[in-house]
Amino acid sequence: SYELTQPPSVSVSPGQTARITCSGDALPKRYAFWYQQRSGQAPVLVIYEDNKRPSGIPERFSGSRSGTTATLTVSGAQVEDEADYYCYSTDSNVNYWVFGGGTKLTVL
Amino acid sequence: EVQLVESGGGLVQPGGSLRLSCSASGFTFSRYAMSWVRQAPGKGLEWVSSISGSGGSTYYADSVKGHFTISRDNSKNSLYLQMNSLRAEDTAVYYCAKLQLSGGYYFDYWGQGTLVTVSS
Repeated sequence: SYELTQPPSVSVSPGQTARITCSGDALPKRYAFWYQQRSGQAPVLVIYEDNKRPSGIPERFSGSRSGTTATLTVSGAQVEDEADYYCYSTDSNVNYWVFGGGTKLTVL
Repeated sequence: EVQLVESGGGLVQPGGSLRLSCSASGFTFSRYAMSWVRQAPGKGLEWVSSISGSGGSTYYADSVKGHFTISRDNSKNSLYLQMNSLRAEDTAVYYCAKLQLSGGYYFDYWGQGTLVTVSS
């Protein structure tokens, strides 16, 4: 099996920068993707291929990857950014399609 | 605009069966692989199964292999998940998701989900 590890929670004040990490042994070889899930809603893709933003996603969302860790950064976090965030990737052989355990971002 | 609409969820007894459907629109359905992803109450996301655009290749998580079957009907722009021998741990919201190829695959659009509850 394969696992991606995220911190359970991150908390920032409005306007501050939030950083959410995702660790996995295969990340040096595989892209990381990030999903936002607001309460009661379906997940939404916010970052793909480590650092690309889909159309409609605010510029304050950015991503990076270094070694075995991928990071989602929310610069100038806003109250509406409060949500659960999940990283996603696969193992080296694309046998396991895995989500991290999720990180609850609180902005208050 | 891509739209994915799931249906077929509900309450089922342990050991029972259920068939989920996903109706797709806004893209050329047969050109894209599709997936099911689930989320147990209060828990994280779990990939369940995927199917190629032609339907010729299917993939399953170990947790459902042998008791779930994914299929599609490209003439109806529809994706299905046949769930047999259901267990309490299969209780979850089941999301239909469109796949995009990027080295491996990732989920670029999601439906709103359908709730499956396995309980006596």
